[in-house]
Amino acid sequence: GQNIDQPTEMTATEGAIVQINCTYQTSGFNGLFWYQQHAGEAPTFLSYNVLDGLEEKGRFSSFLSRSKGYSYLLLKELQMKDSASYLCASMDSNYQLIWGAGTKLIIKP
Amino acid sequence: IAGITQAPTSQILAAGRRMTLRCTQDMRHNAMYWYRQDLGLGLRLIHYSNTAGTTGKGEVPDGYSVSRANTDDFPLTLASAVPSQTSVYFCASSDGAGGPGTDTQYFGPGTRLTVL
Repeated sequence: GQNIDQPTEMTATEGAIVQINCTYQTSGFNGLFWYQQHAGEAPTFLSYNVLDGLEEKGRFSSFLSRSKGYSYLLLKELQMKDSASYLCASMDSNYQLIWGAGTKLIIKP
Repeated sequence: IAGITQAPTSQILAAGRRMTLRCTQDMRHNAMYWYRQDLGLGLRLIHYSNTAGTTGKGEVPDGYSVSRANTDDFPLTLASAVPSQTSVYFCASSDGAGGPGTDTQYFGPGTRLTVL
């Protein structure tokens, strides 16, 4: 079956670094997406990885290991506005996204 | 402003009533999607359309129908609403033209539906 696993909730301190992990198992693979979703709002696109390695985009970086079925989202210099849910999604062989339940990130001053 | 709009923003509906959720995009994207989001669960695909005139069933299609008469609009209809359809509904679109980055999905603001 298809499955995406990520932690339900994480807490971090303002200014610190946090890593949100995601493991995936899908029928075929056409890339791994990360989205940010603030409470009561729509998901917004953060990153896309299809090749192994690290993609850096400002304070956010995303890593992929296809052989391990593993990805992580790294957030640096955390700000209070980073408090949100972070959704991991794998694109399967039919180009459909299989979504994890999301990781709620709580930032404390 | 370019993007996706959804209507209504929220709705309370009596069980058994028919309801259509509207979705319009002005990005000329080929593909459109309807998801529902429930607490503790990931987004679940209800129906999708890869291009105008075609539709497909997602993971949870029962009780829902869609149509794609043109590129911009993708309405979702609940023929006879039931309480288990209480959820937040998101419409999304992607370029879907093939090539890097064309599968990124962009989401509308959502419709919060309560069925009593």
